[in-house]
Parts: sequence; structure tokens; C-alpha cells
Amino acid sequence: QVQLQESGPGLVKPSETLSLTCSVSSASIRSHSWSWIRQRPGKGLQWIAYLDYSGTTDHNPSLKGRVTMSVDTSKDQFSLRLTSVTAADTAVYYCARRADDDDVFDIWGQGTLVTVSS
Amino acid sequence: SYELTQPPSVSVSPGQTASIACSGDILGEKYVCWYQQKPGQSPVLVIYQDTKRPSGIPERFSGSISGNTATLTISGTQPIDEADYYCQAWDRTTFYVFGTGTTVTVL
Repeated sequence: QVQLQESGPGLVKPSETLSLTCSVSSASIRSHSWSWIRQRPGKGLQWIAYLDYSGTTDHNPSLKGRVTMSVDTSKDQFSLRLTSVTAADTAVYYCARRADDDDVFDIWGQGTLVTVSS
Repeated sequence: SYELTQPPSVSVSPGQTASIACSGDILGEKYVCWYQQKPGQSPVLVIYQDTKRPSGIPERFSGSISGNTATLTISGTQPIDEADYYCQAWDRTTFYVFGTGTTVTVL
């Protein structure tokens, strides 16, 4: 079955760049579309960005262009970069697969906590 | 930006029916899905395209939509259904939008 696993630093300093990678197993990354979603402590879910199998990306307008997604098809991995982080970016970050032909997320990673602090 | 509103909490007795509402502008023109999230776990899709259940999701979970309000119904609620529930829809300006979330407590 398809599994997603996030990896990356758990601590990032303010004003620096948060970088995370999602490894996809038991599926080809070229067959689906992928997203990053985060959840601040005790809060709800917030969609961050999306990347489809053609390389097209979109991101949450509220993040004001701080977001970049990329894909490494040779490794079946996709990545997130969030620049100029502040304490408000402290959250559990999830990678997720967009379901075929539908704007829902049918498979999620376990999530990784990223804390922004000096 | 597009927003989806849910009640913060719903309480239900074991075996009874829990209903969670999700409202938003022109929601009736969009597909709505629902996720269940238990403490410390990732969200799980329980309803998609307003009313459909993914394989493996118990029949006690059902979805409906009327006007601009979508509803997740849990019939015969069990203690294991205690969780946070989020609705989600897609909007062409805000893209993937999640509801504010509802905590279901089984008393």
C-alpha cells in the first residue's frame, strides 16, 4: 500500500528556510498529485501547496509567495521550502496525496513537527 | 478568501447519532469531503464527493448536503469515533480549504 514519510529538521531559526521532504513508497510519484498541509499546535488544518504530475504548482495565497514545491522523480520524493519563517510557522507538517480525479487527500504521511525558535 | 465554518464541538451519547455541520458560500456548488483526526494521528478521509465512503470506512459514517450546508452524520456513535472532524472543499481562489474543525465527544 502507498505510504508517505516526511523528513527534515525539527527546529528552524526565525528568518531561515524550512525544508522538508516527503518520500513516497509503493507508488510512482509521476502518477499522482501531491500536497503539503500543516497544523499549528491545537489548531486546524491549513493547505500549503500542491504539485501535480506535470510539475504545475500552486500555493496558499496567504503564504505570500514564501512557498516552493519541487519533485525528484528519480527518488520518488517531493519537497517543500518555506522561506522567512516565524514562530507562526511552527506546526506539524503533513505530506498528502491528492486522490485521482477528486480534490481530496486520500493518503497522508504521519506528519513531522517543525518548531521555529532561536 | 473562502471559508468553511463548523461548530467547535458536538457531544453525543454512545449509540446515538452525531451530526456535524459545515457551511460556506455556494458550498452546494462544490464537492465536500470529511476527515477524521484522532489525537496524535494523521487525518483520515471518511467521506468524499458529499456522500461517498472510501473503502474501509464503516457504514455508520454518512454525508449529505442541503443548500450551502454539508453534514457528516455518525449513526450509532461508538467511543472510538471520538475525534476531530474537518470538512474540506476546493475553491478556485483559495484552492483547498478546510473547515474550522469539530471535536466530537462521546459521553
